[in-house]
Amino acid sequence: NAGVTQTPKFQVLKTGQSMTLQCAQDMNHNSMYWYRQDPGMGLRLIYYSASEGTTDKGEVPNGYNVSRLNKREFSLRLESAAPSQTSVYFCASSAGPPAGQYFGPGTRLTVT
Amino acid sequence: DQQVKQNSPSLSVQEGRISILNCDYTNSMFDYFLWYKKYPAEGPTFLISISSIKDKNEDGRFTVFLNKSAKHLSLHIVPSQPGDSAVYFCAASAEGTGRRALTFGSGTRLQVQP
Repeated sequence: NAGVTQTPKFQVLKTGQSMTLQCAQDMNHNSMYWYRQDPGMGLRLIYYSASEGTTDKGEVPNGYNVSRLNKREFSLRLESAAPSQTSVYFCASSAGPPAGQYFGPGTRLTVT
Repeated sequence: DQQVKQNSPSLSVQEGRISILNCDYTNSMFDYFLWYKKYPAEGPTFLISISSIKDKNEDGRFTVFLNKSAKHLSLHIVPSQPGDSAVYFCAASAEGTGRRALTFGSGTRLQVQP
């Protein structure tokens, strides 16, 4: 049982380049989330998807787009990367309370 | 405006003793609270949660206490073990907001000395 998987693990982009971060879960969860973590800070929500076909903005959505491709997959796209998007990105999925969210291993992105 | 605050960036305890990690929140709509543990280069791992209708939840060595009037929760680890050394995040959510998306504190790094 893989849980939540993310690809790639590391990525270096130049300013203005685009890329898509992939996330998949095999726990049959309805809800999926994208967070970013910056040094000395907690995780901040970028976008979430309550169910297949729906997506909503979180706390820090600017510069990102998402796609809930099916129940398993939720991707995060940076159309024109900026140095301020240098961060560690975590995908998570959830079946709802009382269980918590299950997180992937993260993608460390550097934008130069 | 941090809605969830962990004011101690780090904590060091001896193996076998109690570790107490603290968390304060400001949003009175939060009704569900969680603790996560994070090792370097890994994603956070869910540890324990508590609903606002309770004031205590216990799971093995881990106990979470909630004081709603003070908007404060704490995680007790007894006894502490070296393998508990990690960053601990407090998180909270409110029903109806972002389908249970979490608001995280900035974390407390726990070091358990052998």
